[in-house]
Amino acid sequence: DIQTTQSPSSLSASVGDRVTITCRASQSISSYLNWYQQKPGKAPKLLIYAASSLHSGVPSRFSGSGSGTDFTLTISSLQPEDFATYYCQQSYSTPPYTFGQGTKLEIK
Amino acid sequence: EVQLVESGGGLIQPGGSLRLSCAASGFTVSNSFMSWVRQAPGKGLEWVSVIYSGGSTYYADSVKGRFTISRDNARNTLFLQMNSLRVEDTAVYYCARVYDSGSGSSFDYWAQGTLVTVSS
Repeated sequence: DIQTTQSPSSLSASVGDRVTITCRASQSISSYLNWYQQKPGKAPKLLIYAASSLHSGVPSRFSGSGSGTDFTLTISSLQPEDFATYYCQQSYSTPPYTFGQGTKLEIK
Repeated sequence: EVQLVESGGGLIQPGGSLRLSCAASGFTVSNSFMSWVRQAPGKGLEWVSVIYSGGSTYYADSVKGRFTISRDNARNTLFLQMNSLRVEDTAVYYCARVYDSGSGSSFDYWAQGTLVTVSS
């Protein structure tokens, strides 16, 4: 099975900061990589699909890049509502659709 | 408007069975890929199962042979039958619609989640 590893596992930042989260796949997955945001007690929300496509309604300060094994999620200017946990998820070939372990973004 | 509403969670003893339901509106379950994802308390997300529009199903190794995903087209509802439940199956279970962009599958709409607690 394909594994995905996120880094860092936690991150402290301030409102207005530019933040980057990384996801690495255990083998090449082309652009089959998605990003989600989850707040405590809530269901995850899709942010980015196919590595760099912004899901409907997601603010443009979120962006994704990468292909092959290395991917990044960037938040260009952190807003108070962006403090949450972020997950990557790969969907290359047949299931399982594995998630990364998550990155908790906290207020500095 | 796409909406997913789950029901069926609760407290169950190890070895017991439980069936989760996920009622959909705003789209047709039988024409879509649908999935279950779970999250153990304080842990990350774990994909559990998917059913494709053609009826093919896949499962995580951790639940294979114990869980069954299915759908009722007339009721536009997705199910997860969970048998031989273990303590480690304790989690919030989410149903989610799968969006196939042509460059992979993502979960674009999620239900609110239902807690399954396996404990004696």
